[in-house]
Amino acid sequence: KNEVEQSPQNLTAQEGEFITINCSYSVGISALHWLQQHPGGGIVSLFMLSSGKKKHGRLIATINIQEKHSSLHITASHPRDSAVYICAADSNYQLIWGAGTKLIIKP
Amino acid sequence: EPEVTQTPSHQVTQMGQEVILRCVPISNHLYFYWYRQILGQKVEFLVSFYNNEISEKSEIFDDQFSVERPDGSNFTLKIRSTKLEDSAMYFCASSPPGLASLAQYFGPGTRLLVL
Repeated sequence: KNEVEQSPQNLTAQEGEFITINCSYSVGISALHWLQQHPGGGIVSLFMLSSGKKKHGRLIATINIQEKHSSLHITASHPRDSAVYICAADSNYQLIWGAGTKLIIKP
Repeated sequence: EPEVTQTPSHQVTQMGQEVILRCVPISNHLYFYWYRQILGQKVEFLVSFYNNEISEKSEIFDDQFSVERPDGSNFTLKIRSTKLEDSAMYFCASSPPGLASLAQYFGPGTRLLVL
């Protein structure tokens, strides 16, 4: 049973498109993280949120605690946004990771 | 900007050998973590460490694994007798004190290959 589910698994889009990646979780959380993993393997933390919405540049993350659902949006997508995007639920002092969404943005 | 560093970036070892993976967390951080990612799979939590002791550990973190903060700056993960299935990317992370302690900062990872 996966405690953190992401969709879609793979997403290919054209440059400029609005991107949405979804995350559902079944555990109680203190926070929900969105992270980016580059082809080389490095992990970068994008957002940590426990309620509402956060925005950083072209990235927007939202969370609905009642529905146990979070979304990551990318506006005006660019080929350099191509990466794996992962949501991770912070539960009992450990991160439970989703499987990731592989995003490819074509020029 | 301060960052978490890890050494080595790559390590190849023979099955049964001991390996030590090293991490230097951000200097004022108090919480430390190890994760691993087997190729093609999701990242998995191994262990969290606070106040010189393990806070949480997963089922993966069995007696073959140990962590240590030997000198106030390094945070190490030791695998006593490596198995083929230990081949993975190992990530270290650290968190600052206080209300920001949920934010985790990741190192670049050590890619371990067990032959």
